[in-house]
Amino acid sequence: QQQVKQSPQSLIVQKGGISIINCAYENTAFDYFPWYQQFPGKGPALLIAIRPDVSEKKEGRFTISFNKSAKQFSLHIMDSQPGDSATYFCAAHSGGGADGLTFGKGTHLIIQP
Amino acid sequence: NAGVTQTPKFRILKIGQSMTLQCAQDMNHNYMYWYRQDPGMGLKLIYYSVGAGITDKGEVPNGYNVSRSTTEDFPLRLELAAPSQTSVYFCASGNVREGGEQYFGPGTRLTVT
Repeated sequence: QQQVKQSPQSLIVQKGGISIINCAYENTAFDYFPWYQQFPGKGPALLIAIRPDVSEKKEGRFTISFNKSAKQFSLHIMDSQPGDSATYFCAAHSGGGADGLTFGKGTHLIIQP
Repeated sequence: NAGVTQTPKFRILKIGQSMTLQCAQDMNHNYMYWYRQDPGMGLKLIYYSVGAGITDKGEVPNGYNVSRSTTEDFPLRLELAAPSQTSVYFCASGNVREGGEQYFGPGTRLTVT
C-alpha cells in the first residue's frame, strides 16, 4: 500500500523553465510534508518542508504548494538550472516523525542547458 | 559536527553471510532510522528508534535486527544475507524539537551474491 504517490517518474525541463513535481497522500494524519533532493551516490538532503496549516511555502527558487482538501502537494522549481538535476522525493509523516517518513517513489529531474 | 556517518560505504556479501552496518550521529537526536533504497522504489523504513533502549519495526524489517545502546549509535544487523537484501541503506536521525526533520547519512551500498 503506497501512501504517498509521486509523479512524474522522470522529467526533462529546459534551463530557465519551471519544474513541477506532484504528490498525493492518503493518510489524513500526516502533518509534515518535506521534499528531499538526492544526487547520485549521496544521501537525501532536506530541501523544503511544509505543514498543513499553510497553503504555500517559498524558499528561494523552490516553492511547495499544499492543498489539504485534495490531499495533494507539489514542488515548483523556478528558473531551473542544470545544477538542479537530481532525484526528488516527496515524503510525509505524522506525530513528530517518531515512526519515520513515508516516501514517494521519486522523480528523476534533468535540466537541459 | 560530522552529522550522520555510516560505515562501510560499500560491501559485497555472499549469500548466508552476516554483517553489521554502522551508523552514528553527533547531533544529540533522539530519533534514529534505517531505510533501504531500491531503484525506482523510493526509501522504505526498516527499523526506527525513539531513544536508547527503544526500537521498533518499520515497513520492511524481515531479515534485519537493530539495537540502540546509546543515543549516538544505531547499528543495523543483517543475518543470513539474501540477494533480496541487495540495496542502498541509509541511516537518518531527527528530533521532534526540530519539527521532525530527518538528516541522512551518505549510505552503504550492499551487494549480496
